[in-house]
Amino acid sequence: DVKVTQSSRYLVKRTGEKVFLECVQDMDHENMFWYRQDPGLGLRLIYFSYDVKMKEKGDIPEGYSVSREKKERFSLILESASTNQTSMYLCASSSPARPPYEQYFGPGTRLTVT
Amino acid sequence: TQLLEQSPQFLSIQEGENLTVYCNSSSVFSSLQWYRQEPGEGPVLLVTVVTGGEVKKLKRLTFQFGDARKDSSLHITAAQPGDTGLYLCAPRRIQGAQKLVFGQGTRLTINP
Repeated sequence: DVKVTQSSRYLVKRTGEKVFLECVQDMDHENMFWYRQDPGLGLRLIYFSYDVKMKEKGDIPEGYSVSREKKERFSLILESASTNQTSMYLCASSSPARPPYEQYFGPGTRLTVT
Repeated sequence: TQLLEQSPQFLSIQEGENLTVYCNSSSVFSSLQWYRQEPGEGPVLLVTVVTGGEVKKLKRLTFQFGDARKDSSLHITAAQPGDTGLYLCAPRRIQGAQKLVFGQGTRLTINP
């Protein structure tokens, strides 16, 4: 059974803290994605990685960075958390070799910044 | 930036009723995917449509890609409480593109 796991389901952090969100996939997928999901806005892409150490900015990268040191792991970093980063964060993976390039999602991390 | 609109944004109906939700844009797409997200979970792929006018059925769910490949619809027959969730459309403008742009979704509630 294919799986994308995220390190926490719920997280509460204070303004200014450095926050790490971890995502691991067991499908040997080349692509990994970080999205944030807010009511009425759907899923918005923060960053995309198509290979180890390779990354591309998505639509809303400001305030975020990412790290992909191993194929199976993709980390999202909030350098200095702010209240407007309170959101649901979803990680996904896919393979460019497997049309229709289905994205497999983790269960999400609900982050609250106070 | 492509404009993608899903309608309605919210829909609450009784078990057994039929419904249709829509995904519209002014852009032409090479393909389009529909995902369903249940509470507390990530989205899961339901279907991919590729050809203009294509119709795909998944049990009580019927998906259609518009002839001009600018829009899509999802029709559910005899809705059940298990159909409750957020339905997201995700088109691709370029064949083989790895990134998706998601609509804002239709939040569907089926009441027993």
